[in-house]
Amino acid sequence: KQEVTQIPAALSVPEGENLVLNCSFTDSAIYNLQWFRQDPGKGLTSLLLIQSSQREQTSGRLNASLDKSSGRSTLYIAASQPGDSATYLCAVFTGGGNKLTFGTGTQLKVEL
Amino acid sequence: EAGVVQSPRYKIIEKKQPVAFWCNPISGHNTLYWYLQNLGQGPELLIRYENEEAVDDSQLPKDRFSAERLKGVDSTLKIQPAELGDSAVYLCASSQGQGDEQYFGPGTRLTVT
Repeated sequence: KQEVTQIPAALSVPEGENLVLNCSFTDSAIYNLQWFRQDPGKGLTSLLLIQSSQREQTSGRLNASLDKSSGRSTLYIAASQPGDSATYLCAVFTGGGNKLTFGTGTQLKVEL
Repeated sequence: EAGVVQSPRYKIIEKKQPVAFWCNPISGHNTLYWYLQNLGQGPELLIRYENEEAVDDSQLPKDRFSAERLKGVDSTLKIQPAELGDSAVYLCASSQGQGDEQYFGPGTRLTVT
């Protein structure tokens, strides 16, 4: 059974700092990996999708990497802003892309 | 382009009452998902549709939960009767196909009293 872990569970940083969120998964036979953000009381917003053949994916100030062999992905946020405050969720596709398993998320707070 | 639409956004009911949630996916998305999210947890899949066919409902508590996706577009998730432990956020998502990027709706927050 695939298990996804995100560390740390919560993180508070000053504005402008670069930061890294970690995601690890137990079964390396994944199809794709997707990062989301969730604002309080809202649904999930897709940030990046990394296909299993890719090593990294970039969107603006976000960069996500994938190392299937070690079962890890990282989300790098450059020059953090207060608007980045949210919960960040990592999810892996398994079963040929049929099933998406989520981590419990990292709650990020960027302070002025 | 409109995103995934869900209604209602909030619902408060007494236990043993029925409740239904509605979802309209992104136009052209063949795959539709219903997830349940408890506080402080990631979403967990309840059911997945490919067009109008439920291809994975292994996590759906079939004694009280049911779902349908008539004509392969909109979907409804129903709970009857609701229990206190059903209080959670119910999320709908869609994608073009299996393994493709999933897009989520705002969710329905259910409170059972």
